[in-house]
Amino acid sequence: GQNIDQPTEMTATEGAIVQINCTYQTSGFNGLFWYQQHAGEAPTFLSYNVLDGLEEKGRFSSFLSRSKGYSYLLLKELQMKDSASYLCAVIDSNYQLIWGAGTKLIIKP
Amino acid sequence: GAVVSQHPSWVICKSGTSVKIECRSLDFQATTMFWYRQFPKQSLMLMATSNEGSKATYEQGVEKDKFLINHASLTLSTLTVTSAHPEDSSFYICSARDGGAGSQPQHFGDGTRLSIL
Repeated sequence: GQNIDQPTEMTATEGAIVQINCTYQTSGFNGLFWYQQHAGEAPTFLSYNVLDGLEEKGRFSSFLSRSKGYSYLLLKELQMKDSASYLCAVIDSNYQLIWGAGTKLIIKP
Repeated sequence: GAVVSQHPSWVICKSGTSVKIECRSLDFQATTMFWYRQFPKQSLMLMATSNEGSKATYEQGVEKDKFLINHASLTLSTLTVTSAHPEDSSFYICSARDGGAGSQPQHFGDGTRLSIL
């Protein structure tokens, strides 16, 4: 079966750094997305990785290791507005998008 | 950037009513659109994949006669919840992919909060 694992919930402090991990087992791989979803709102696209390595975009970075079936989203200089759920999603060999259950990130002052 | 507009944002109606939700890609053509449902504090659940000019592909357990999908143009897909009941109350979200490539990100509408009394 296809499976994406990410922690259910994480807590971090304002101004700090947090890393949200995602591991996947899918039938093939054609890329990995990270989305942010605030409570009561639709998801918004954050990043896309298809090759190994780190993609940096401002305070957010996303890393991929295809051989390990592993990705992480790194958030720096955390702000209260970063409190949200972060969704990892993988494109499989049929170009179907497989969603993780999301990680709820709680930022404390 | 790719913008997806979803309308209406909120619907409150009586049991037995049919409700139509529209999803439009405003600045790009979307061969494929997706319909999701999300219950409070739960994950996104894909209901169906909508392809322009053809029948939608429904996920297992989703009643196609209950949730009618029409994707008549490259910029518009509609979801009609027929004879809605309180258990259909949920947050419905559409997304669209810019172009035909499966590796393009999905861009989401703002969602429709449906409450059936």
